[in-house]
Amino acid sequence: QVQLQESGPGLVKPSQTLSLTCTVAGGSISSAGYYWTWIRQHPGKGLEWIGHIYYTGSTYYNPSLKSLVSISVETSKTQFSLRLSSVTAADTAVYYCARKDWGINAFDIWGQGTMVTVSS
Amino acid sequence: SSELTQDPAVSVALGQTVRITCQGDSLRSYYASWYQQKPGQAPVLVIYGKNNRPSGIPDRFSGSSSGNTASLTITGAQAEHEADYYCHSRDISGNHVLFGGGTKLTVL
Repeated sequence: QVQLQESGPGLVKPSQTLSLTCTVAGGSISSAGYYWTWIRQHPGKGLEWIGHIYYTGSTYYNPSLKSLVSISVETSKTQFSLRLSSVTAADTAVYYCARKDWGINAFDIWGQGTMVTVSS
Repeated sequence: SSELTQDPAVSVALGQTVRITCQGDSLRSYYASWYQQKPGQAPVLVIYGKNNRPSGIPDRFSGSSSGNTASLTITGAQAEHEADYYCHSRDISGNHVLFGGGTKLTVL
């Protein structure tokens, strides 16, 4: 059974780069038909899609974040990563990694989420 | 429009049936999927496709779609169904992801 686990710093200073990694356990990140996704949730707010990556390296990003976001995949390590640059307090959120099954158009597996606070 | 619109809050009497809706132009082309999120927890997929439930999701959860509106129905709502519910689909281009703003369900 595939499980996802986010890891990374819980505190980032303003103007720095937020870096998170999602480790895929129990399955292959190179399986066809799955997009590996980052989603965030500001405190008390709804879900915001950040972007996703296919195992080939093809990426799609939320247009509102595109200039600041980079998602990469390391198939050998069954990990994919998020980098969000020039963060501000507005980037304080719970960050989730999730697997999107393109065929059913649904996020079928989620990580538990990791809280990231942007503060000096 | 590249948005999915949900009512912010809905309430239902214990044991009654409740429908949560999601509206958006892209729903004319793509099915929605639905997620239940309880406080402090990650979202959980409850409905996808025309009306499909992942393993472990009870059949009191069902989905439907008509035109630009997708619906999640909970038949016989229980206290444990009190949660935030989010719809999701693709945008018109098919490449980007949309989430509805979420509906907070209260079971009275």
